[in-house]
Amino acid sequence: DTGVSQNPRHKITKRGQNVTFRCDPISEHNRLYWYRQTLGQGPEFLTYFQNEAQLEKSRLLSDRFSAERPKGSFSTLEIQRTEQGDSAMYLCASSYSGGAYTQYFGPGTRLTVL
Amino acid sequence: RKEVEQDPGPFNVPEGATVAFNCTYSNSASQSFFWYRQDCRKEPKLLMSVYSSGNEDGRFTAQLNRASQYISLLIRDSKLSDSATYLCVVNSGQSGGGADGLTFGKGTHLIIQP
Repeated sequence: DTGVSQNPRHKITKRGQNVTFRCDPISEHNRLYWYRQTLGQGPEFLTYFQNEAQLEKSRLLSDRFSAERPKGSFSTLEIQRTEQGDSAMYLCASSYSGGAYTQYFGPGTRLTVL
Repeated sequence: RKEVEQDPGPFNVPEGATVAFNCTYSNSASQSFFWYRQDCRKEPKLLMSVYSSGNEDGRFTAQLNRASQYISLLIRDSKLSDSATYLCVVNSGQSGGGADGLTFGKGTHLIIQP
């Protein structure tokens, strides 16, 4: 399977714990995006990378959230001191800047904060 | 006003019928438009891009009206497998949605009944 992959698929944690998610984009895609989706809502943009550079962050991305893409390939999203309001599906997408900009999504990581 | 607005539905439609959704967007500078499909607890998948001249892909037809700032999706001869949430997506370039400026609507829930 050469699509976007995300791990873990599900994460249950207690409030106050730190969690880290991983995204592996489609191999030739240089852009990588993180979104958050809650029930009944469309995906909301969090941040994106072009290669290893983080070029934009949404105001939704509080200082408890940090994302990295150290080698321009996979990315990690860390949430520190999780809160119940962080419970959501975290989606990763990738695209190729030289193409039609179509974003392809991974299956997501569903986070539940107890 | 939300940047991208859709009727959340649900739309309950008998199999074989034709169904149409509309979506309105607020940023007149928006450049690209898409319909994504999302099945329950799955990731969004690109259904089709929407071009100014309108475009068709099998049973699906998308139209764009820039003057009125709305996008439509028409599904003919609906199948049970068309049951899903349809997300209207707009690239407004500077909406905070990343370099591609993707802003998602909340989605329209479609249920095809046998």
